[in-house]
Amino acid sequence: GAVVSQHPSWVICKSGTSVKIECRSLDFQATTMFWYRQFPKQSLMLMATSNEGSKATYEQGVEKDKFLINHASLTLSTLTVTSAHPEDSSFYICSATAGASTEAFFGQGTRLTVV
Amino acid sequence: AQTVTQSQPEMSVQEAETVTLSCTYDTSESDYYLFWYKQPPSRQMILVIRQEAYKQQNATENRFSVNFQKAAKSFSLKISDSQLGDAAMYFCAYRSAFAGGTSYGKLTFGQGTILTVHP
Repeated sequence: GAVVSQHPSWVICKSGTSVKIECRSLDFQATTMFWYRQFPKQSLMLMATSNEGSKATYEQGVEKDKFLINHASLTLSTLTVTSAHPEDSSFYICSATAGASTEAFFGQGTRLTVV
Repeated sequence: AQTVTQSQPEMSVQEAETVTLSCTYDTSESDYYLFWYKQPPSRQMILVIRQEAYKQQNATENRFSVNFQKAAKSFSLKISDSQLGDAAMYFCAYRSAFAGGTSYGKLTFGQGTILTVHP
């Protein structure tokens, strides 16, 4: 199947700093990418949907100024957590779909710890 | 809006036995896709099986099969001959077949079921 690479797999940052997470589709063009947040032993909560070349669509309750999403190309989407705080510590997962494909391909996830 | 419910937070099974994970969903749409994903301790999401709502035949992938009851909006996963490697968190997910809008391809997940396999 298609491969989605997410980087970094884990990151520790200081409170107040920003951190960027990358999501790349390695062997297909991802027209749409999705960003999820997952707390331990809980479900994946969709944060935003990102379409190449257009602004991301954020789910209700997600601060768009805090979680900046950029989808500048068909193979790369980035999530930047701005002015991170300890409550932003979580596991972030991206997924990508290629047009009419019914399957979503997931990245390996990023564990963010804010200290 | 669609919702997906997994009412079993945890399940356990003996190795080589069979276990069934439950999932119900709510939607007003007639055409959609349903999925079961596995998330092992590595936390990589792995697609186990998918079902198209317009197909009456239940999907099967080796030891994994589903019981899709469209009228009842039920989509259970049966794992036969359970193996230690099946231990993971399992998520049921819904995706609309409507090919339009900015959220095309969006998955709605259930709460998840933690499956433990005993040797």
